[in-house]
Amino acid sequence: EVQLVQSGAEVKKPGESLKISCKGSGYSFTSYWIGWVRQMPGKGLEWMGIIYPGDSDTRYSPSFQGQVTISADKSISTAYLQWSSLKASDTAMYYCASHQLYRRNYYGMDVWGQGTTVTVSS
Amino acid sequence: SSELTQDPAVSVALGQTVRITCQGDILTSYYASWYQQKPGQAPVLVIYGNNNRPSGIPDRFSGSNSGNTASLTITGAQAEDEADYYCNCRDNNDYHVIFGGGTKVTVL
Repeated sequence: EVQLVQSGAEVKKPGESLKISCKGSGYSFTSYWIGWVRQMPGKGLEWMGIIYPGDSDTRYSPSFQGQVTISADKSISTAYLQWSSLKASDTAMYYCASHQLYRRNYYGMDVWGQGTTVTVSS
Repeated sequence: SSELTQDPAVSVALGQTVRITCQGDILTSYYASWYQQKPGQAPVLVIYGNNNRPSGIPDRFSGSNSGNTASLTITGAQAEDEADYYCNCRDNNDYHVIFGGGTKVTVL
């Protein structure tokens, strides 16, 4: 079974660092872009960025460039989303998703993780 | 970057047909995908490549793309179809992706 399993909920204080994870199984993890999507409370989906685990090529949405770091460890089929200094406005649900993204075409995000809730509060 | 615009909310009577639209100039260049999200759950891909259903998605869900407007149609809406629906497309920026704002579908 193809699946993405994310790390558990986090409660942090402003200014703290955080790294959440997304482990893939049941497919060739290095062959597909994997990305992160933010959903703030009561709001819509926002695309943050993606990484190609095969060569660690990474792309960021302009809205998130410089705010987060996306990385991957292909040896353990795991992608990461990292903050160096959290803000209260980072409070949200974060999903990882496998992207069917190719040079000329894009066919959607076919596999999603269950989501990781991040709460940032003093 | 480009934008995708969706109506915030639509309602449909049980068993009737509802069309959800997504507008954006980028849709003239790239395929649209659609996602269903129910409260407290992760999104689920229901349409990809404008009009293709992943395995396991009921055939009452269909998609189309004409000009700068993509559409998701639910033919014979069921109570379990009540959810938020998001359109999604590739952006002109290399290997970037964008979402529409989402449409809340209420089944009456």
